Amino acid sequence: GAVVSQHPSRVICKSGTSVKIECRSLDFQATTMFWYRQFPKQSLMLMATSNEGSKATYEQGVEKDKFLINHASLTLSTLTVTSAHPEDSSFYICSAARDRRSNYGYTFGSGTRLTVV
Amino acid sequence: SQKIEQNSEALNIQEGKTATLTCNYTNYSPAYLQWYRQDPGRGPVFLLLIRENEKEKRKERLKVTFDTTLKQSLFHITASQPADSATYLCALGKGDDKIIFGKGTRLHILP
Repeated sequence: GAVVSQHPSRVICKSGTSVKIECRSLDFQATTMFWYRQFPKQSLMLMATSNEGSKATYEQGVEKDKFLINHASLTLSTLTVTSAHPEDSSFYICSAARDRRSNYGYTFGSGTRLTVV
Repeated sequence: SQKIEQNSEALNIQEGKTATLTCNYTNYSPAYLQWYRQDPGRGPVFLLLIRENEKEKRKERLKVTFDTTLKQSLFHITASQPADSATYLCALGKGDDKIIFGKGTRLHILP
């Protein structure tokens, strides 16, 4: 089955530093990947759509200069949280669709718990 | 703006009974609806997808219905087990790959 690997699973960083999160599709190619953040007991909120070889599309209210997305290949997308602040602490999750025409849903990574101190 | 509501934040069901979760939506015409399971500290896991022209879909002990007139989907788990305890998310999508999620329902199956 489709597998999406997300790394790291947990990271603690100091305010003002940058953190990079990787999302890899292991056994399929993903021209499109999605980045979400989730606060406790809240829904997954779509931050941006990552497109291979082109610029990411950000949702309203998401600062593109703060959350840098790079989709350099068909199997790798990265999210960099720049100049992190405590309010950026959250659970970040990526996902990819194996085949939009199939009956398979989206495959999600296992998530990254970011804590900014 | 579009809105997705899942019936309750938490639901307690006795083991062996059928658990029924509800997903209602407004201001949206999805092409398909998906259900996911999410365990604490983990990413969601896909369970079922149902398209707008389908009324019902089954997979083992799971059953999903989709009523586009009522703008509602029901998700059933029959013969529930404690291992079914998790948060269940519904998600709606159109043809542009983007999907939007409800807040989820935390299901507790009581032994």
